[in-house]
Order: sequence, then C-alpha cells, then structure tokens
Amino acid sequence: DAGITQSPRHKVTETGTPVTLRCHQTENHRYMYWYRQDPGHGLRLIHYSYGVKDTDKGEVSDGYSVSRSKTEDFLLTLESATSSQTSVYFCAISTLAEQPQHFGDGTRLSIL
Amino acid sequence: QKEVEQNSGPLSVPEGAIASLNCTYSDRVSQSFFWYRQYSGKSPELIMSIYSNGDKEDGRFTAQLNKASQYVSLLIRDSQPSDSATYLCAGAISNFGNEKLTFGTGTRLTIIP
Repeated sequence: DAGITQSPRHKVTETGTPVTLRCHQTENHRYMYWYRQDPGHGLRLIHYSYGVKDTDKGEVSDGYSVSRSKTEDFLLTLESATSSQTSVYFCAISTLAEQPQHFGDGTRLSIL
Repeated sequence: QKEVEQNSGPLSVPEGAIASLNCTYSDRVSQSFFWYRQYSGKSPELIMSIYSNGDKEDGRFTAQLNKASQYVSLLIRDSQPSDSATYLCAGAISNFGNEKLTFGTGTRLTIIP
C-alpha cells in the first residue's frame, strides 16, 4: 500500500538484542496498529495507537513496547529479542476504530 | 474459545464454481465485520466490509451476516485461479470506545483449473 511504509522489510538478529520496527503513513489516519502473524495463529494484535502519545495493549503485548510521537510514525520495539518473537509483523492504519484497516507490506523478522 | 473462528481448510473449489467461506463469532464481537484476502507472502487486502444483517454484494463477492446465528460468510461466484489465497475474517471488539479487530486464523482457498 502506497500510504503505509514499513521498515526494515527483512531483519535477522540475535537473541538479546534490541530491535525497532518502524511504520510510516502518509494518510493522516488516527489509528495505527501492530500485528504479528504466525502459522496456526493468524493475525494477533500487539499494540495499537489511537492518537499521538495514546497507545494501548493488544492480546500479545508482552516483550513489546511502542511509541507514537507523530501522527505519521508508529514504532514497535523489542527490548531484548527472543526466538519466540520470530514472526512476520504487519502495521495497519484506519481512520476510525470501527472502520476497516489497511495493511503495510510487512516486516519479516528472524531472531537466531 | 477464540472470538472469531474459521475452518482453516484447505478448501478446494473447481474453477467457475461458487466458493463458500464461513466464520463464526462470539458475543464479544460487535457489528462490524471484514473479509481480507491474503496471497502467500503478501499483506492482507480488504475485499468486503459488512455492518448490518443480510447480504452485501460487490462484483463476484457476496458477504452475508446473520447476527442471530452469529456467523458471517463470504461467497465467491465464478471462482477464478486468481482467487486462490487465504481469506481472513475479522470482527470488531469494543474496548472503551476504541474498537479493535480480532481475526480468525484464515481459510486457505485453492481454485482448481
């Protein structure tokens, strides 16, 4: 999606290192979300934001933190990466909470 | 119990036939439902939204919502090989004014030429 950019697209790192994933949007949407997708589990919400500096936890938030200092950027940080956090991470945005979400291209993260 | 449940498949349908994908949901899920299509290695793409009881048609796609039975379905008419993908059902859960989406695990659909 042209309005959502995730970076990096791929990353390989070692257990115990910090990792930050970035989601950048050009749509000026209020809501931003971070999901992880794993086989057999589907998409699971990690954290979401409903405005600048306003964030809340999702169903799998342990080991993750987020920050949103500007409308367009939503950062996901793994403070000390573990192998169980190997996954594909998707960012999504929406105008209103009840409106459909649109997804970025994803980040494939491998933690060795 | 997951809030949104889907049969993981795989579901195989001959080209030109109708593909029927189903999803059930729990009491926690509110009235907004979405169907996403996800090709292998790609991100989910919204194909249908449905907010009220009944049917909603968009081209070859029809979404059906039955609140009494708590299920939502997606019908794909005249199935094409390009419809082969994983289909994700999602429903909104109200969370103190901020709704969140909860997703099913997806149904893998294969259209057989």
